[in-house]
Amino acid sequence: AQSVAQPEDQVNVAEGNPLTVKCTYSVSGNPYLFWYVQYPNRGLQFLLKYITGDNLVKGSYGFEAEFNKSQTSFHLKKPSALVSDSALYFCAVRDTLKTGANNLFFGTGTRLTVIP
Amino acid sequence: NAGVTQTPKFRILKIGQSMTLQCTQDMNHNYMYWYRQDPGMGLKLIYYSVGAGITDKGEVPNGYNVSRSTTEDFPLRLELAAPSQTSVYFCASSYDSGGGGWSPLHFGNGTRLTVT
Repeated sequence: AQSVAQPEDQVNVAEGNPLTVKCTYSVSGNPYLFWYVQYPNRGLQFLLKYITGDNLVKGSYGFEAEFNKSQTSFHLKKPSALVSDSALYFCAVRDTLKTGANNLFFGTGTRLTVIP
Repeated sequence: NAGVTQTPKFRILKIGQSMTLQCTQDMNHNYMYWYRQDPGMGLKLIYYSVGAGITDKGEVPNGYNVSRSTTEDFPLRLELAAPSQTSVYFCASSYDSGGGGWSPLHFGNGTRLTVT
């Protein structure tokens, strides 16, 4: 089965501190992994993706993610959190079993709160 | 460039009523998707389409129907609304050339549906 797990429903971090939002995955074959962010009453916005290559992927708004094959993880990181980073974050994996589907399986989301 | 546009933003239905959620995209994307988002459950794929005239079921298709008569439009139909269909519905689109070129999913801002 293909899936992603986000073990933390809520992450709180002080402004200026580094943040990590965790994600682990289960997929057949090579994983295509994504992070999306959702602000209140809005759709999901793409942050970054891992397909192949460097294990450290850089994305929008200063976010980056580290792909770890041995731990089947794809944690989202940022060196210095901003209050404006407060939002709901989703990890996702591309469907690799259904040929031509191109759709994503999403985790349950982690709500990040950055405390001023 | 509007991206993915969903209408209406909000709707309240009585049990047994029907309605169509509209979705249109102006990015000439060949793939389109409908997801539903329930609290603590992440996003679940309802239906998707790989091009005009072609649709396929996702994880949770029961109670819904779709059509794709044009590249731009991908309406979602609820025939007999049930309380279990109370959710936030997101339409998304993406591009896949089939030759390695593809884009991440782009989401609309959602339709909040309540069935009472």
